[in-house]
Amino acid sequence: DQQVKQNSPSLSVQEGRISILNCDYTNSMFDYFLWYKKYPAEGPTFLISISSIKDKNEDGRFTVFLNKSAKHLSLHIVPSQPGDSAVYFCAASHILDTGRRALTFGSGTRLQVQP
Amino acid sequence: GAVVSQHPSRVICKSGTSVKIECRSLDFQATTMFWYRQFPKKSLMLMATSNEGSKATYEQGVEKDKFLINHASLTLSTLTVTSAHPEDSSFYICSASPTSGGYEQYFGPGTRLTVT
Repeated sequence: DQQVKQNSPSLSVQEGRISILNCDYTNSMFDYFLWYKKYPAEGPTFLISISSIKDKNEDGRFTVFLNKSAKHLSLHIVPSQPGDSAVYFCAASHILDTGRRALTFGSGTRLQVQP
Repeated sequence: GAVVSQHPSRVICKSGTSVKIECRSLDFQATTMFWYRQFPKKSLMLMATSNEGSKATYEQGVEKDKFLINHASLTLSTLTVTSAHPEDSSFYICSASPTSGGYEQYFGPGTRLTVT
């Protein structure tokens, strides 16, 4: 049962245009959402996060939008640059029964920005 | 800040041998570290949560006797793959959560294990 879903395995956009990466979740206990960027053979790099009590968080070219009623979030990259080409993972954080906090990852979306 | 290192970055070993992978938080203390495994073109699969000074918590389906985890200090966790088999070949990534609190995890660069 996938609690965090990224339904688009890949996305291709032109340099300078907007990239929109989508993520859906099912568990209403998730209280923080994070986006990570990953290059091949490297660990994920934290990009931006949002609390479940907010609907938007912006950091430079990156903006994350959260629609809690739809259990949907999206990452907008404007303007897109060739260096943004990577796999982007959506992750959701929650506290387990044991009291520890864990992340659940989506399957990732491969973004390719064409020069 | 928030740098996590892993060593080695790449290792090749023979079937039946054991391999140890180290994960270090370089500029912060981490009570909790996590070990993930990534299969080709798949998401990160959480294997276990490493707790400093106590036993690790393993996810369902992960053999604790095969993947030994030790979290001896607030900056170091180790994963030992015992009696490795070719199907253990994978990309192993660790992450660490700062003891100061928060929900973020900072990831290491990963270790590519190949078992021949």
